[in-house]
Amino acid sequence: EIQLVESGGGLVQPGGSLRLSCAASGFIFNSFAMGWVRQAPGKGLEWVSCISGGGGSTYSADSMEGRFTISRDNSKNTLFLEMNSLRDDDTAVYYCARMDGTDAYRDGFDVWGRGTVVTVSS
Amino acid sequence: EIVMTQSPATLSVSPGERASLSCRASQSVSSFLAWYQHKPGQAPRLLFYGASTRATGIPARFSGSGSGTEFTLTISSLQSEDFAVYYCHQYIDRPLTFGGGTKVEIK
Repeated sequence: EIQLVESGGGLVQPGGSLRLSCAASGFIFNSFAMGWVRQAPGKGLEWVSCISGGGGSTYSADSMEGRFTISRDNSKNTLFLEMNSLRDDDTAVYYCARMDGTDAYRDGFDVWGRGTVVTVSS
Repeated sequence: EIVMTQSPATLSVSPGERASLSCRASQSVSSFLAWYQHKPGQAPRLLFYGASTRATGIPARFSGSGSGTEFTLTISSLQSEDFAVYYCHQYIDRPLTFGGGTKVEIK
């Protein structure tokens, strides 16, 4: 069974940092690009970042560029999102999702995790 | 940025009835369009990719159509498990963008 399980969410103060993880199982991890998508309270889905299967190419939404860093450890089948300089409007459920291809180019998201909650508040 | 606009925001439908959800792109996305179903507390579920290709395990009562800028998700006969929020998503260009969602609720 293909599974994505996120962890690492929690309560953090504005300006703080968090590192999210996503443990993948049930498929050949390095054959697929991966991404993060978030959903703020009462809002729709928003793309955050994605990374190619080999990890050599990464892309992020402009509002997160320079603050959020996506990475992966293919030896441990794990995806990461390092989040720095967190703001109130980063409060959201963060979903890990598999992309339907290797290059993170014109690939949709075909498998999603249940998400981890990040709350930025003083 | 390609803006995806979904309508209506909320659709009230009785079980057994047909539902049609619309998604419009601000510029052509060809067929690089996906539909997702999302229920509270659950992982979003892929319904269609390539605008009209049904994902594995998706019942035949769901259909997707369209290309370019106009897309439709149709549920031919709503079942109780179909009441959820539905999102369209373009993946032809970054930033990847989603529509605001259509909530399908019980009438």
